[in-house]
Amino acid sequence: DAKTTQPNSMESNEEEPVHLPCNHSTISGTDYIHWYRQLPSQGPEYVIHGLTSNVNNRMASLAIAEDRKSSTLILHRATLRDAAVYYCIDMDSSYKLIFGSGTRLLVRP
Amino acid sequence: DAGVIQSPRHEVTEMGQEVTLRCKPISGHDYLFWYRQTMMRGLELLIYFNNNVPIDDSGMPEDRFSAKMPNASFSTLKIQPSEPRDSAVYFCASSPDRGLRETQYFGPGTRLLVL
Repeated sequence: DAKTTQPNSMESNEEEPVHLPCNHSTISGTDYIHWYRQLPSQGPEYVIHGLTSNVNNRMASLAIAEDRKSSTLILHRATLRDAAVYYCIDMDSSYKLIFGSGTRLLVRP
Repeated sequence: DAGVIQSPRHEVTEMGQEVTLRCKPISGHDYLFWYRQTMMRGLELLIYFNNNVPIDDSGMPEDRFSAKMPNASFSTLKIQPSEPRDSAVYFCASSPDRGLRETQYFGPGTRLLVL
C-alpha cells in the first residue's frame, strides 16, 4: 500500500503557480521523496526527487518540510500540458515505487 | 535513445487465449520493471529484474502470469490463460541502477482487453 496521502484533485488557471501537497506520515530518515506524473494515455514520467533540502529542476520545484512529514511540488507556471495525475512516493530501501491514487491536476485555460 | 519500447500498444483477445506483452528497455539499464494499471487498483508493481534475473515477483497476481528476460534488451510478460479481469494497461519501465535516487523510465504501455 502507498505510504503517502494526496488530495484527489486540484484545479489551476493557466500560467499561474500550482502547489501540490503530499503527506508523508510514515517516512523514515533515509527515504527519498519522489514525484512522478502521468499525462493522459501515457506512462508515468519522473518529475523530481529530494531528501531534505528543497530541490529545483527545469520541470518543477520540490519543497520539503523540516520534519519531512510533508512536501509540496511547485509548478511555477502551469500550462495545459501540465494537466496530469501527480504522484508522490516515499522511496525506501526496497527501491520500489509504490504508487497511490495521486492528485489529478486540471488546468483551466 | 528511443526510450522504453512496448508492443503491442493495444491487444484485444478472448478469454482463455494466451497473451504475450513485450518490452525493450533503454540500452544500458540494468533494471526492468513490469507494472499493471487498473481503475480499481491503480498502478501496481508486478515483477522486476536485475541483469536479466527476476528479483521480486511478489506482485504477480497468479500463476497464470509469467515474465522472462532472456537478454538485456528484451522482456516478455505472458498471461495464460487470460481472463476478463486481466484487462488493464501494462507498463514496462527500466532504470540504470537501483537506489534511493534512481529514476525509472516508463514505456507507453500496452492496453489489454480480454473479452
